[in-house]
Amino acid sequence: EIVLTQSPGTLSLSPGERATLSCRASQSVGSSYLAWYQQKPGQAPRLLIYGASSRATGIPDRFSGSASGTDFTLTISRLEPEDFAVYYCQQYGTLPLTFGGGTKVEIK
Amino acid sequence: QVQLQESGPGLVKPSGTLSLTCAVSGGSISSTNWWSWVRQPPGKGLEWIGEIYYSGSTNYNPSLKSRVTISVDKSKNQFSLKVNSVTAADTAVYYCATKSGTWSKFDYWGQGTLVTVSS
Repeated sequence: EIVLTQSPGTLSLSPGERATLSCRASQSVGSSYLAWYQQKPGQAPRLLIYGASSRATGIPDRFSGSASGTDFTLTISRLEPEDFAVYYCQQYGTLPLTFGGGTKVEIK
Repeated sequence: QVQLQESGPGLVKPSGTLSLTCAVSGGSISSTNWWSWVRQPPGKGLEWIGEIYYSGSTNYNPSLKSRVTISVDKSKNQFSLKVNSVTAADTAVYYCATKSGTWSKFDYWGQGTLVTVSS
C-alpha cells in the first residue's frame, strides 16, 4: 500500500502567516490522484484540494496545492482564524485508499 | 447535493458484530458513485475500510478484509457495514463517504457516528 507521511505533525502559526504542509508518498501516486482535507473537532473531513492542485467548490483561493514527484504541498497563503484545524492528505490512485497521519495547524 | 447519514448502535460488546447503515439522500445509490466507509479512532487519523458500487462490487482494505462486509440496499437507497469479532481497537468514529468514480476523491461525507467497543 502507498504510505503517506505528513510533516510537520504540528504547525504553530499566527493569523495572517503562511502555512506550508507537506505530504510525501512512498511510491508514485498515479496521475496526481492526491487530495487534501480539512477537519475541525467534532466534524467530518472537508475536501479542499483534489488532483494535487485543483480547489474544490467553494474553497477560498488562499488554499493551494502543488506536486513534485512523490512530494505534495498544501499552502495556506494567509491564515484566517477558521483555518486552524487538522489537515489530511489522501491518495486515491491505488487500492487500498490511504490517508496521511495529519498535520495540526494551531494558533501560536 | 448528496447527503449521507450514519445510524446504528453506539455500543458493541467485544467479540460481537458492529453494524452501521448509511442513508443516502439527494441522489441515487444506483448512480456511478462508489460508497465508502472510513473510520477514525479517538484522537487519531483516518482509515479507509472499504467501498461498494451499486452493482454489489466491493473493495476492502486488506487490513480489515477478513472481518468486514459492506452491502447495498438499492430499494432503501442505503448501504451498510458489518465488522465481526470486534475489539477495543475498533472503537472509532465511523464515517460514510462517497466518491464520483473509481479513482476519485471523497466529495461528500456523513457527520460520523461514534461506536465504542466495551463490555
